[in-house]
Amino acid sequence: QVQLQESGPGLVKPSETLSLTCTVSGGPIISYYWSWIRQPPGKGLEWIGYILYSGSTKYNPSLRGRVTISVDTSKNHFSLKLSSVTAADTAVYYCARDRDSSPYMDVWGKGTTVTVSS
Amino acid sequence: QSVLTQPPSASGTPGQRVTISCSGSSSNIGSNYVYWYQQLPGTAPKLLMYRNDQRPSGVPDRFSGSKSGTSASLAISGLRSEDEADYYCAAWDDSLSGRVFGGGTKLTVL
Repeated sequence: QVQLQESGPGLVKPSETLSLTCTVSGGPIISYYWSWIRQPPGKGLEWIGYILYSGSTKYNPSLRGRVTISVDTSKNHFSLKLSSVTAADTAVYYCARDRDSSPYMDVWGKGTTVTVSS
Repeated sequence: QSVLTQPPSASGTPGQRVTISCSGSSSNIGSNYVYWYQQLPGTAPKLLMYRNDQRPSGVPDRFSGSKSGTSASLAISGLRSEDEADYYCAAWDDSLSGRVFGGGTKLTVL
């Protein structure tokens, strides 16, 4: 079955760019939407944005200008870049597969913790 | 403050029926589908309900979803200890042109 695995640095310095990759295994990246969601410590879920396999994107308005999501269909992975990070960006970051443009996320990665600290 | 409003906590005893509410507005729940996620302690969220009242394969029929106007509910009947988790509702918001989550409800099985 389809599995997702997040990877990237667990520690990022303030003002730098957070970069994460989600590798998709067991199924194609084509024909689906792919999302990033985060969860600050002890808090709820926040949608970051999604990308369709063709490359079109939609981002959370509160993060617009700082976030970029890209996809590489040849490597079956998609990526997240979040610039100018602060301590408020410390969170568990999840990637997920979407069935469509609504929040219909049926497969999730285990999540990766990113801490923003100097 | 989350766009979708959920009670922060709910509780019940084994075998009981519990309902978790999710309140929104005409731009989200009122005009779009509602989705529910279950997050067991220390794990990633799991899709529990899609398109208001549809259960993914593998989700017990003890779980049911409904929507009326700008509110939605998740009901759990025959409560079990393994249902103790955080539950989140989600929807598309036409005004924000993005997805929104509720703040989450922590369910305790007494």
